[in-house]
Amino acid sequence: DAKTTQPTSMDCAEGRAANLPCNHSTISGNEYVYWYRQIHSQGPQYIIHGLKNNETNEMASLIITEDRKSSTLILPHATLRDTAVYYCIVRVGSGNTPLVFGKGTRLSVIA
Amino acid sequence: GAVVSQHPSWVICKSGTSVKIECRSLDFQATTMFWYRQFPKQSLMLMATSNEGSKATYEQGVEKDKFLINHASLTLSTLTVTSAHPEDSSFYICSARLPLGDTQYFGPGTRLTVL
Repeated sequence: DAKTTQPTSMDCAEGRAANLPCNHSTISGNEYVYWYRQIHSQGPQYIIHGLKNNETNEMASLIITEDRKSSTLILPHATLRDTAVYYCIVRVGSGNTPLVFGKGTRLSVIA
Repeated sequence: GAVVSQHPSWVICKSGTSVKIECRSLDFQATTMFWYRQFPKQSLMLMATSNEGSKATYEQGVEKDKFLINHASLTLSTLTVTSAHPEDSSFYICSARLPLGDTQYFGPGTRLTVL
């Protein structure tokens, strides 16, 4: 079972920042927070992951609360191509444990 | 990021026939690959974990004799849907994890339609 809770859907205006929340109140100390997205009829795309520090890459920023019970994925300047289902997943960083997907958040970027 | 490919991207077959889907890691060796299935408007569901040189580990409710998985090399895993039926129509996605890494990469998926 997925260990995260995300809103079912969100809208965002093109060019504005998209902030996608995720609750993971039962996260363990050795579990990372991963974010993936899936554009319609494609395989999931890796976005970013982190343990406890905030992370940033060319795609997005990940803000993790100090107690690690929630996080926010930030797309700084959303475009129409960012319309997708965004999945927040917690998993241990090492070993062969697979990713388990919840229902995710359907983000619609509107022109 | 690492590249994972799948072939074919889509396939249509008659009920009762078998279909093989290939998953390749193009620029890295993957000792472990994962197979997922996704029905329309649903999330991805893990079917099995494919280990190079050993038997796959199937999730509860997934028939191992129906969904045959072979991971004969460090860059190739295959999923064969045997005696396919219309209810097997779905989007099948494979995934591989970098050795000694913590990121899992996904293939583009294979859409199977059984008539």
